[in-house]
Amino acid sequence: QITLKESGPTLVKPTQTLTLTCTLSGVSLSTSGVGVGWIRQPPGKTLEWLALIFWNDEKRYSPSLRSRLTITKDTSKNEVVLTMTNMDPVDTGTYFCAHRISYHIGDTYYSGLDYWGQGTLVTVSS
Amino acid sequence: DIQMTQSPSSLSASVGDTVTITCRASQRISSYLNWYQQKPGEAPKLLIYGSSRLQSGVPSRFAGSGSGTDFTLTISSLQPEDFARYFCQQSYTNSWTFGQGTTVDI
Repeated sequence: QITLKESGPTLVKPTQTLTLTCTLSGVSLSTSGVGVGWIRQPPGKTLEWLALIFWNDEKRYSPSLRSRLTITKDTSKNEVVLTMTNMDPVDTGTYFCAHRISYHIGDTYYSGLDYWGQGTLVTVSS
Repeated sequence: DIQMTQSPSSLSASVGDTVTITCRASQRISSYLNWYQQKPGEAPKLLIYGSSRLQSGVPSRFAGSGSGTDFTLTISSLQPEDFARYFCQQSYTNSWTFGQGTTVDI
């Protein structure tokens, strides 16, 4: 059973840098094919994909937030860390990490997010 | 970014009804379309991947279809636990995007 858990500050001030940690169990970040993503959701709004990191350290970022995001992994701790700089009140929301699943069907790979953490609410306010 | 547009934004239904939610992509995405269900205070749950393939453990009353730019999620014989918010998400590009969500309520 794969589980993920987010941790980090619940309150950050505008212009500060947010650092969130996602701790995985049941799957190793060093296993071929493993990927972990970050997604956020402002209160009452839709989901926004932020970033994804793979076992081989390949990284992908949302183009609109790329300049503010950094995703890294610590294989020894089985953790994925997301940092977001220059936080603003519009960045308030629940931040989720999730495990990427990939299904190989024929000559096609379909990816989705099958296991999610419970999410952590981050409020940006002075 | 590929824009994903869902309709309707909300709908009301009764137990036993069949409901259909539509998702349209701003460009062709083949079958790289996933559907998620989210209940209040919970994380999303993957229902369907690859447009029509049921995730393990998901009841067969959920069905997805479509290819290219137009996709649908159909829930047959709506159950009380199906009242939730549903999101589509494309995985065609390296920058994933979600639809704005459809709330199914009583």
